[in-house]
Formats: sequence, structure tokens, C-alpha cells
Amino acid sequence: KAGVTQTPRYLIKTRGQQVTLSCSPISGHRSVSWYQQTPGQGLQFLFEYFSETQRNKGNFPGRFSGRQFSNSRSEMNVSTLELGDSALYLCASRPQVGGRSGGYTFGSGTRLTVV
Amino acid sequence: GENVEQHPSTLSVQEGDSAVIKCTYSDSASNYFPWYKQELGKRPQLIIDIRSNVGEKKDQRIAVTLNKTAKHFSLHITETQPEDSAVYFCAASKGGANNLFFGTGTRLTVIP
Repeated sequence: KAGVTQTPRYLIKTRGQQVTLSCSPISGHRSVSWYQQTPGQGLQFLFEYFSETQRNKGNFPGRFSGRQFSNSRSEMNVSTLELGDSALYLCASRPQVGGRSGGYTFGSGTRLTVV
Repeated sequence: GENVEQHPSTLSVQEGDSAVIKCTYSDSASNYFPWYKQELGKRPQLIIDIRSNVGEKKDQRIAVTLNKTAKHFSLHITETQPEDSAVYFCAASKGGANNLFFGTGTRLTVIP
């Protein structure tokens, strides 16, 4: 069973640009969450999608957005990049939302560097 | 929202000793508490979790305890080995459709 796949693994962008990151969840998993990981702040929740609908949203500015497709694949977009957006962006999937849905399975992440 | 605090931020132990990492949470409605291990350059991986209807759970050298009254939970690793060296994250969730809130991590170093 393939794990959570994130592309690209590494990305370098300049300030002001925008970026799109992709995540393919484990087959059968319908929930996809995105986290930003930085050395000082740990794992910060961005948003979670289930059945193409955003179910939860963290405290990030509107420059951070996402979406989920009918095949459960998800993308997140960051517009007008700032230096502080440099981080490891982790995607995680779980089978469902609700009930005893259990823990997340994480992807390897996309390391974004803004210069 | 939920606030999860984790201590210590760094921990060094001799191989064979035990390691304990503690977390507190703020939302009494939280009922699911997983622990993740992240080795350098790798993804976080779930190592153990506990739900609020139990007070302790063990899996070989790893155990987690939960005190709902005090709103804290702990990870215990016995007979530590060098391969236990990693960053450990605790998390809390109200379950269901709610997301996980993570602690800031503990960097565990096991000295051979």
C-alpha cells in the first residue's frame, strides 16, 4: 500500500511569488490535512479537507489556501510568498473524519525555501 | 482552541536508561492523544496513541499514561537505544472531525 506522497520534495522561490504543493493520500483515505513545520514553532495546523470540503482551518493568513479533488488528492497554495514562509510543509491523511478515525499518516513533506 | 505544551524540549539519556516526556493540554474535551516520532530528515510517524477511556497503554518498550483530571499525558521509553534518538511530538484532539494540535517537540538523544 503506497504511503502519502508529496511533490515536489524541495522548492526554492523568491519573495512575492506563489507556490502550489501537491499531496496524494493513502488509497482509501478521504481526509487530508496540511501542517507547516518550522524549528521554532513545531507543527502548525493549516487546514483539513474531507470530501472536497474544508472542514477545519488553522490560524494562517488568507495567502494560504487549499483544495481537494474528487480523488482525494489535495493541493495547497501560498501566494505572495514571504521569507517567513520557509518551512517544511507536511501533508497527512487519515481514513475518515468522525468516529474513531485514528491518527494521521504523514508524507515526507515539501521543503520550501523563500529567498 | 486547544493548546498543547510539551516538556522538556531536549532530553539526553544514557543507553539503557528510561526517558519520560510530558505534555499538558488545555481543552478538557480532548479525547485522543497520539505520539509521533520524527527522525532527522524523515516524516513524523505514529508510535503510540491513547484514548481518554483508558489511563495507560503499553507497546513493548513504549508506554503512554493519561491523567484526564490533571489534563496531562506522558510518554515513557524504557531501555533506551541509540535508534530511539529523534524528535518526539505529542498531540491532542477532540476526535471526530477535529484536527490534531501538536506540542513543540522533544529532541531525545540516547548516548551510547
